[in-house]
Amino acid sequence: QKEVEQNSGPLSVPEGAIASLNCTYSDRVSQSFFWYRQYSGKSPELIMSIYSNGDKEDGRFTAQLNKASQYVSLLIRDSQPSDSATYLCAGLNAGNMLTFGGGTRLMVKP
Amino acid sequence: GAVVSQHPSRVICKSGTSVKIECRSLDFQATTMFWYRQFPKQSLMLMATSNEGSKATYEQGVEKDKFLINHASLTLSTLTVTSAHPEDSSFYICSASPERNIQYFGAGTRLSVL
Repeated sequence: QKEVEQNSGPLSVPEGAIASLNCTYSDRVSQSFFWYRQYSGKSPELIMSIYSNGDKEDGRFTAQLNKASQYVSLLIRDSQPSDSATYLCAGLNAGNMLTFGGGTRLMVKP
Repeated sequence: GAVVSQHPSRVICKSGTSVKIECRSLDFQATTMFWYRQFPKQSLMLMATSNEGSKATYEQGVEKDKFLINHASLTLSTLTVTSAHPEDSSFYICSASPERNIQYFGAGTRLSVL
């Protein structure tokens, strides 16, 4: 099993809808998780970090961590075409190194 | 967020040329920096961990003599791709961590070897 797994997508949502991105992780990954957004041809940009069980909100973004089920999610409310990008989920492994999922491509259609 | 500067953003070179990429943390000190490589439509792959004042730690399968890393100060790490070949063409990205394992990425360097 990969340390961090994501559905590659693409996930297509209409403008204004809620986009839900999911990520699961293995026992080899610790309790620190991060969501990055990567536009095509660009480097990743940190959106949110989450360390504790539950929800963390920042503007239109909400990260959710469920340690019992070993999943992390990112909700994007009022999705905009400019949100179209690849979203990378990452967690820290036993070596304290950031390990990335393969990314989910999000397409927000006007 | 913290700012990580990477230069150059784009390199086109002939096969056999060595290419040097710089990564700087602009508003914080980074004992550790990281170098990643990303091929088209693939995820980031960690190449090596750059440690200030000591040798870099390379991931399995990454040739240390091919990809030379120098971390001379707390704000600068360099990656040199020696004798680059077309198969080294990729997107190289550095990152640095100012706090609690949060990594901020440089803008990346797109290397094209002809």
